[in-house]
Amino acid sequence: GAGVSQSPSNKVTEKGKDVELRCDPISGHTALYWYRQSLGQGLEFLIYFQGNSAPDKSGLPSDRFSAERTGGSVSTLTIQRTQQEDSAVYLCASSKAGGPETQYFGPGTRLLVL
Amino acid sequence: SQQGEEDPQALSIQEGENATMNCSYKTSINNLQWYRQNSGRGLVHLILIRSNEREKHSGRLRVTLDTSKKSSSLLITASRAADTASYFCATADTGRRALTFGSGTRLQVQP
Repeated sequence: GAGVSQSPSNKVTEKGKDVELRCDPISGHTALYWYRQSLGQGLEFLIYFQGNSAPDKSGLPSDRFSAERTGGSVSTLTIQRTQQEDSAVYLCASSKAGGPETQYFGPGTRLLVL
Repeated sequence: SQQGEEDPQALSIQEGENATMNCSYKTSINNLQWYRQNSGRGLVHLILIRSNEREKHSGRLRVTLDTSKKSSSLLITASRAADTASYFCATADTGRRALTFGSGTRLQVQP
């Protein structure tokens, strides 16, 4: 079956603009995660969705970042008033159920803020 | 915040040699996972070892876990040029849903 997909693959934007990043998880996976990876670094957790429960937003770096998950499937990560330090690869992952199990990652969106 | 720390940060070996990467962590965990990343894009899950396990094998991969030392190692035997990638350990911390990733080891296998 299809894996996790993300769009766009690459995004170049100007400082101050808003961007939306999309994630389509594997069908049937109830848990969805967003991570951020800066150049040469490990992954930084941003936000976690599990079914219809309130999301865990503890990793969002500022109030310019928000995410939603519609119908328990597709998720959109929005960054408002982008800054140069937001430049990174944004990775989405899903798993069958929330908890400490294997996560399946999408190919990521590479964001460059000029 | 990053919990796991991989060692070494970079490793270059010849094809056919074994590669060993180490990971240390700080908190109580449910399991520890190893992922591979090619060209800075999506991560591929390699192996998961639970906190009550000490060793696990999968093909050419061997993972050990020492919860008393809060450390794990990943051994890739008979390496191939195609193994060239970055390898990350990730801990599933007790009481936390998201994985905590280390900073990774960049492995270069010379043909």
